[in-house]
Amino acid sequence: AQTVTQSQPEMSVQEAETVTLSCTYDTSENNYYLFWYKQPPSRQMILVIRQEAYKQQNATENRFSVNFQKAAKSFSLKISDSQLGDTAMYFCAFPLPLTGANNLFFGTGTRLTVIP
Amino acid sequence: KAGVTQTPRYLIKTRGQQVTLSCSPISGHRSVSWYQQTPGQGLQFLFEYFSETQRNKGNFPGRFSGRQFSNSRSEMNVSTLELGDSALYLCASSLATSGRADTQYFGPGTRLTVL
Repeated sequence: AQTVTQSQPEMSVQEAETVTLSCTYDTSENNYYLFWYKQPPSRQMILVIRQEAYKQQNATENRFSVNFQKAAKSFSLKISDSQLGDTAMYFCAFPLPLTGANNLFFGTGTRLTVIP
Repeated sequence: KAGVTQTPRYLIKTRGQQVTLSCSPISGHRSVSWYQQTPGQGLQFLFEYFSETQRNKGNFPGRFSGRQFSNSRSEMNVSTLELGDSALYLCASSLATSGRADTQYFGPGTRLTVL
């Protein structure tokens, strides 16, 4: 069975500092995507970053980067130079491996608070 | 391009009623997925439609149904509402042209309250 685990229910970080959110998963698939989404108080789910499992290079998007360790099935998100607007719930998500299907399995989320 | 839109944004219904939620995907996106978000169960996949066909369904009772139109707009219906159906319902669209899972872009959600 596929699982996604986010072991940090809540985290906080000082503005301008760096924080890392952890995510581990389990799958029998070899080629897949992994996603980080953020959900601010507005409840709009926003894509933060995507990693393709067959790519060894870690994905980066401006201040956001991932540390993807395929063998360890670990997919952590690093936020550099944290800003107040980064305050949100962060979800790690993984597509369930049904051919041609788009159904994401979400972790339980990490509530991140950026402190001024 | 305009993003994913969902209507209505808020709904209040009573137990036993039925409700229909609507989702318009990003232009060109043919896949529409629906999710339910509750404090207790988190985010759970409901179903996905692609080219007017349901490709996959999550573990929800038959009271939850959906459909997709030729313009890729999708509706989901919940019949005989229960208190536990109170949730944020999120719709997501994706290109899904590769035949495998693709990046999904979410709408703002519909907040359903069942009294």
